[in-house]
Amino acid sequence: SQKIEQNSEALNIQEGKTATLTCNYTNYSPAYLQWYRQDPGRGPVFLLLIRENEKEKRKERLKVTFDTTLKQSLFHITASQPADSATYLCALDRGGYQKVTFGTGTKLQVIP
Amino acid sequence: DGGITQSPKYLFRKEGQNVTLSCEQNLNHDAMYWYRQDPGQGLRLIYYSQIVNDFQKGDIAEGYSVSREKKESFPLTVTSAQKNPTAFYLCASSIRTDEQYFGPGTRLTVL
Repeated sequence: SQKIEQNSEALNIQEGKTATLTCNYTNYSPAYLQWYRQDPGRGPVFLLLIRENEKEKRKERLKVTFDTTLKQSLFHITASQPADSATYLCALDRGGYQKVTFGTGTKLQVIP
Repeated sequence: DGGITQSPKYLFRKEGQNVTLSCEQNLNHDAMYWYRQDPGQGLRLIYYSQIVNDFQKGDIAEGYSVSREKKESFPLTVTSAQKNPTAFYLCASSIRTDEQYFGPGTRLTVL
């Protein structure tokens, strides 16, 4: 079965710096890779989706890369702000209606 | 105002009781999902449904049951057979599996 690894340790970063979160996976390469944000006690919120034939995707201060050779995705938040503090989840799916597999998430803390 | 709702926000259950968690969406999405989240763990899929009157087991379906009689609704029943039901339950919907829209969650506690 698919295994997803996200850094289980919290990531602390100074405000204004770039935060980089890692998502590694084993076994099959997914058709899509998604990133979500989750605040404490709330449901995840979709941020970005990147397809297997895309190397990079950007949305405002967010950037996602997808390296199918390394089986890795990197999620970057530039000019980080305290409001970016949350847990970030990556999720992989094969496309179609096959189920999506979520990682355990990485907690990001942006320090003012 | 489109979205996905879950109720109740908090639910307390006595051992041996069945309880039903509600999930409703007005996004006109075909697919709906139920996940369980425990501290320090990722979301684990309980059941999912691609269309009305059809659903499939996820990774941890034992002790749970669902129905999908209407496109908008996908209730989850936590039965007494579920040995460790205390958790945060999340419902989601999607057009396909591109992006999932999540509800606010229901926190279930067994007394």
